[in-house]
Amino acid sequence: GQQVKQSSPSLTVQEGGISILNCDYENDMFDYFAWYKKYPDNSPTLLISVRSNVDKREDGRLTVFLNKSGKHFSLHITASQPEDTAVYLCAAGEQGTGSKLSFGKGAKLTVSP
Amino acid sequence: GGIITQTPKFLIGQEGQKLTLKCQQNFNHDTMYWYRQDSGKGLRLIYYSITENDLQKGDLSEGYDASREKKSSFSLTVTSAQKNEMAVFLCASSRQRSAETLYFGSGTRLTVL
Repeated sequence: GQQVKQSSPSLTVQEGGISILNCDYENDMFDYFAWYKKYPDNSPTLLISVRSNVDKREDGRLTVFLNKSGKHFSLHITASQPEDTAVYLCAAGEQGTGSKLSFGKGAKLTVSP
Repeated sequence: GGIITQTPKFLIGQEGQKLTLKCQQNFNHDTMYWYRQDSGKGLRLIYYSITENDLQKGDLSEGYDASREKKSSFSLTVTSAQKNEMAVFLCASSRQRSAETLYFGSGTRLTVL
């Protein structure tokens, strides 16, 4: 089954608002969590990542919240801008030799002016 | 900086044909990955390799072979192309052998006639 799930495939937010993207995972051995951003016809690029020893990480307008007991993490984008419009992929993995990332299906964020 | 080069960008094959996709990276990264991207299904891992001559099966390895001839290159073979193989194949690499930042190539778009 799918190890990482994004239940909402799309989200529309007004410019200046807060965008919240959610991700659930099944494997409680996962200890590395990331969000990738993908523009149309481009490849995904890493936005922000966090390890399981923290429950929050901020980077500018981006914040990742991690809820390990709930096996859930989210990406909050404050002051959303039209250039934030893209597909956002969450990913999770287990640190250690030979491990790999499992990705969610992606969620399309549209920020309307 | 470095770059991941995938060739060809577009690959058109016949049903039943054996097709090979190539990937080169000059990051000197240990781990390389092949993901398949289908509309509405996110990224699914086909094969990965943590070092030269190593191969690890992902979630979608059936119908594919892979080869890590040297550290910088990782090729993927579709053993018998099927109509439902139309997808974008993304190669990625990461510096360490554990789940860390992935750097993606620009993709190979496969169409099977």
